[in-house]
Amino acid sequence: AQTVTQSQPEMSVQEAETVTLSCTYDTSENNYYLFWYKQPPSRQMILVIRQEAYKQQNATENRFSVNFQKAAKSFSLKISDSQLGDTAMYFCAFMKRRNYGGSQGNLIFGKGTKLSVKP
Amino acid sequence: ETGVTQSPTHLIKTRGQQVTLRCSSQSGHNTVSWYQQALGQGPQFIFQYYREEENGRGNFPPRFSGLQFPNYSSELNVNALELDDSALYLCASSLWAEPVDGYTFGSGTRLTVV
Repeated sequence: AQTVTQSQPEMSVQEAETVTLSCTYDTSENNYYLFWYKQPPSRQMILVIRQEAYKQQNATENRFSVNFQKAAKSFSLKISDSQLGDTAMYFCAFMKRRNYGGSQGNLIFGKGTKLSVKP
Repeated sequence: ETGVTQSPTHLIKTRGQQVTLRCSSQSGHNTVSWYQQALGQGPQFIFQYYREEENGRGNFPPRFSGLQFPNYSSELNVNALELDDSALYLCASSLWAEPVDGYTFGSGTRLTVV
């Protein structure tokens, strides 16, 4: 069974600074996806960034980037130039890649990190 | 392009009652998944529906059941409600062929069991 661990329940950062959220996971699968989702007070889960395990290059989306260490099973999220609107819960998630003809994998989430961006 | 819509947004039920939550999938999506998010926790997978059939289920008892309709919308039914069923219930829609491309969540239904 896969597990996802986020060891930082809460973090805070000053506006315009950089913050890194940690995530580790455990799996025996070789083909999978990793995600960071943001959940603001509106409750809707919003995809921040995703990484495909077979790609060695770290994913980047504007101010958001990841440090994917497959051997260490580590997947951290770096937020640069933090903005007040980044204040939210952040969840790391794992999805097994679907084999041909098989069923979709479901998302396995960590417990989340509450990020507060201070002015 | 419409997103995922869930109803109702909030609900209060009494222990032992039954509840039905509804989800309209994003336009073009044919697969619906349901997640339970207890307070202070990450979402947990309940089950997934594709072609109107359950296709994958998490560690939830049979009193959690669902339906998917020809227009891809879905319902989550919970019988014999327990206090521990109090949670945010999230619906997510996606494309069966390429789930990673578009896993869109709704804003959830907050269920309180008293």
